[in-house]
Amino acid sequence: QKEVEQDPGPLSVPEGAIVSLNCTYSNSAFQYFMWYRQYSRKGPELLMYTYSSGNKEDGRFTAQVDKSSKYISLFIRDSQPSDSATYLCAMSASGSGNTGKLIFGQGTTLQVKP
Amino acid sequence: NAGVTQTPKFRILKIGQSMTLQCTQDMNHNYMYWYRQDPGMGLKLIYYSVGAGITDKGEVPNGYNVSRSTTEDFPLRLELAAPSQTSVYFCATRSGGQGETQYFGPGTRLLVL
Repeated sequence: QKEVEQDPGPLSVPEGAIVSLNCTYSNSAFQYFMWYRQYSRKGPELLMYTYSSGNKEDGRFTAQVDKSSKYISLFIRDSQPSDSATYLCAMSASGSGNTGKLIFGQGTTLQVKP
Repeated sequence: NAGVTQTPKFRILKIGQSMTLQCTQDMNHNYMYWYRQDPGMGLKLIYYSVGAGITDKGEVPNGYNVSRSTTEDFPLRLELAAPSQTSVYFCATRSGGQGETQYFGPGTRLLVL
């Protein structure tokens, strides 16, 4: 079993739809949870960052972490064609004095159609 | 402030050849990482460094070597290239302060034929 599981998609939605992207994980020591967005032929860029459980909102994006279920989600409201990209979840079990090693999901490819 | 830069952008190697992928950062970050990303897959850690002079293996280190003589540079060396090393290589940095955010370079596409 992989430490982090993510449905690769592809996921195709019409413009304006609400998008839900999810990852599950098996390592209960994960404390830091991130979502990266990767446009085609570009490097990943940090989109959302959450420590431990709870929700975090930034504009049209909301990240949720449910540590009891080992499940994290990214919601995109009013999706736009510019949101078309691959979304990677990433996690780390590190604390102070750590190495910061991230474990990535496979990535979900999203296409938002005008 | 360029952030993380990687060279070359693209390279074709023949089996058995060697090359060095360059990574330079101007953010004065202590931590640096090398990942590879195969088509349709997430990123896998090859090597990382927590500071100048200190490196360690990641998940998939075989066939690669690294060095970290300065804070700014973290080159990745491929010896005896094999088709299995065809991938996109990303360098990333992290400050080591609060949080685990890593900042990625634009990547190097490598094709081994």
